[in-house]
Amino acid sequence: EIVMTQSPATLSVSPGERATLSCRASQSVSSNLAWYQQKPGQAPRLLIYGASTRATGIPARFSGSGSGTEFTLTISSLQSEDFAVYYCQQYNNWPKTFGQGTKVEIK
Amino acid sequence: QVQLVQSGAEVKKPGASVKVSCKASGYTFTSYYMHWVRQAPGQGLEWMGIINPSGGSTSYAQKFQGRVTMTRDTSTSTVYMELSSLRSEDTAVYYCARDAVEYPAGWFDPWGQGTLVTVSS
Repeated sequence: EIVMTQSPATLSVSPGERATLSCRASQSVSSNLAWYQQKPGQAPRLLIYGASTRATGIPARFSGSGSGTEFTLTISSLQSEDFAVYYCQQYNNWPKTFGQGTKVEIK
Repeated sequence: QVQLVQSGAEVKKPGASVKVSCKASGYTFTSYYMHWVRQAPGQGLEWMGIINPSGGSTSYAQKFQGRVTMTRDTSTSTVYMELSSLRSEDTAVYYCARDAVEYPAGWFDPWGQGTLVTVSS
């Protein structure tokens, strides 16, 4: 199975600053990568699919890039509601697999 | 609007089985595949399997083969996930999550609210 590795595990950022989250696949997943946001006590929410396409209703400050094995989620200017855990997920191969998550916390 | 509503929390003893339901509304139930994903306390997300609500075909992660059964009831637009031979490591929140498009593309939107299953003697 494809192993997804996210870094860093925790990212401390001040409101208004830029956050850059990384996700690496153990083998190529082409552009078949999604990003999710999860807040405490809530279900994950789809942010990005196809590595770079924002889901419906997702603000433009969220952007995704990359292909193959290296991917990035960028939040251009962190808002208070963006502090959460972010997961990447590959859907190129079965089984579908997730990274272990990056927690974005207030600095 | 598209909505997935799951059944309530469960407490089970080791060795027992649990069956979690996920009722869909706001779209054509048979047009979108459904997945199950679980999350142990403080841990990440783990994909368990997929069901085609139209024909009922399923595919399970190897880890759960032989212990998980996913079914559906088209008359009530509900999918079910049953996990047997429960052990403490199965304590987790179980989510149903719809495939985002009308083929099994494999990214999930939306998700149910989650069902906490606690396995404890």
